[in-house]
Amino acid sequence: EVQLVESGGDLVQPGGSLRLSCAVSGFTFRSYWMSWVRQAPGKGLEWVASIKEDASEKYYVDSVKGRLTISRDNAENLLFLQMNSLRADDTAVYYCARFISSGRDSFDHWGQGTLVTVSS
Amino acid sequence: DIQLTQSPSFLSASVGDRVTITCRASQGLRNYLAWYQQRPGKAPKLLIYIASTLESGVPSRFSGRGSGTEFTLTIRSLQPEDSATYYCQQLNTYPLTFGGGTKVEIK
Repeated sequence: EVQLVESGGDLVQPGGSLRLSCAVSGFTFRSYWMSWVRQAPGKGLEWVASIKEDASEKYYVDSVKGRLTISRDNAENLLFLQMNSLRADDTAVYYCARFISSGRDSFDHWGQGTLVTVSS
Repeated sequence: DIQLTQSPSFLSASVGDRVTITCRASQGLRNYLAWYQQRPGKAPKLLIYIASTLESGVPSRFSGRGSGTEFTLTIRSLQPEDSATYYCQQLNTYPLTFGGGTKVEIK
């Protein structure tokens, strides 16, 4: 069974940092693109970042470039989102998702989400 | 960036009704469009990919159509468990984007 479990969400002050993790199981992690998607309270979904299987390609939404960094550890089946210089508008539930490319393009499995609150 | 406009943003329908949600893109997507269902407090769930292919395990009352810039999601016979918000997503071009969502309420 495919499972994605996020952790690391917390209350943090503006300008602070946080590192989110996503532990995956049930599939060959190193063979898949992965992504982060966020959802501000009461709002819609926003794609944040995606990373290729071998981490050779990374893509970000403009609003997080230079502040948030996606990475992965294929040996440990872990996906990360390093969040620096956090702002109030980064407050959201952050989901990790498996990204299927090449013919079935979609996010086919999602974690349950972890809440990041940026507030003083 | 490619903008996705969903309509309507809210709809209320009865059990057994046929409902259709539209997703219009600001640029052509070929067929790289997916649909998701999100129930309150839950993670999104993939329903349809490549515009019209039903994800495994999704009931056949869900269907998707379209190409280019206009796409639709249809629920053939609305069921109580279909009460949720539905999102389209384009995977043609970075940055990937989602539509604003359509909340479906059961009367």
